[in-house]
Amino acid sequence: DAKTTQPTSMDCAEGRAANLPCNHSTISGNEYVYWYRQIHSQGPQYIIHGLKNNETNEMASLIITEDRKSSTLILPHATLRDTAVYYCIVPFSSGNTGKLIFGQGTTLQVKP
Amino acid sequence: DTAVSQTPKYLVTQMGNDKSIKCEQNLGHDTMYWYKQDSKKFLKIMFSYNNKELIINETVPNRFSPKSPDKAHLNLHINSLELGDSAVYFCASSQWDSSYNEQFFGPGTRLTVL
Repeated sequence: DAKTTQPTSMDCAEGRAANLPCNHSTISGNEYVYWYRQIHSQGPQYIIHGLKNNETNEMASLIITEDRKSSTLILPHATLRDTAVYYCIVPFSSGNTGKLIFGQGTTLQVKP
Repeated sequence: DTAVSQTPKYLVTQMGNDKSIKCEQNLGHDTMYWYKQDSKKFLKIMFSYNNKELIINETVPNRFSPKSPDKAHLNLHINSLELGDSAVYFCASSQWDSSYNEQFFGPGTRLTVL
């Protein structure tokens, strides 16, 4: 499985865009990038995933570089409730084993 | 309706006891998981069941035994509890043949071993 690296922590002002980077330089051609988040004392929550193209849903946007070695999760208008640990994950590619490897993630603090 | 539910939410017990944590999902998924989150907040997969069959079994002491009576339930039984078993345990579910790996997590069970 591809290893991911993320900054340990980031701050963001409420109402501003939060841009969370992730490096996955060893990713292979058919491996997806997933983002989950964990709000304090809750279970992790799926946010978005992508392969090559940029993706957007009601929660966030995912920008993947052309070489696929890094990606950025964008929360367009961060709120206090977006304060959480954000995990960038590249699961196993050989079949859908469902095995998610959670690293340390990025602790995002949204401030008023 | 809660998609993935776990009981109990909190569990405090003595070393050496045997305890179980229950998990149920009403999403119609065919795959369920158990994760452990320790005091350092690292979240690690322990087990995964697909259609009641074990498909992932990480390096977990055999004191931990998952049991899946049907696709909607995956219970975790722990024998001879140790201090190091104190953690938050999360259950999750997904659909195996889905085109992407979205797992739905329960609220967690905080286990404290005294």
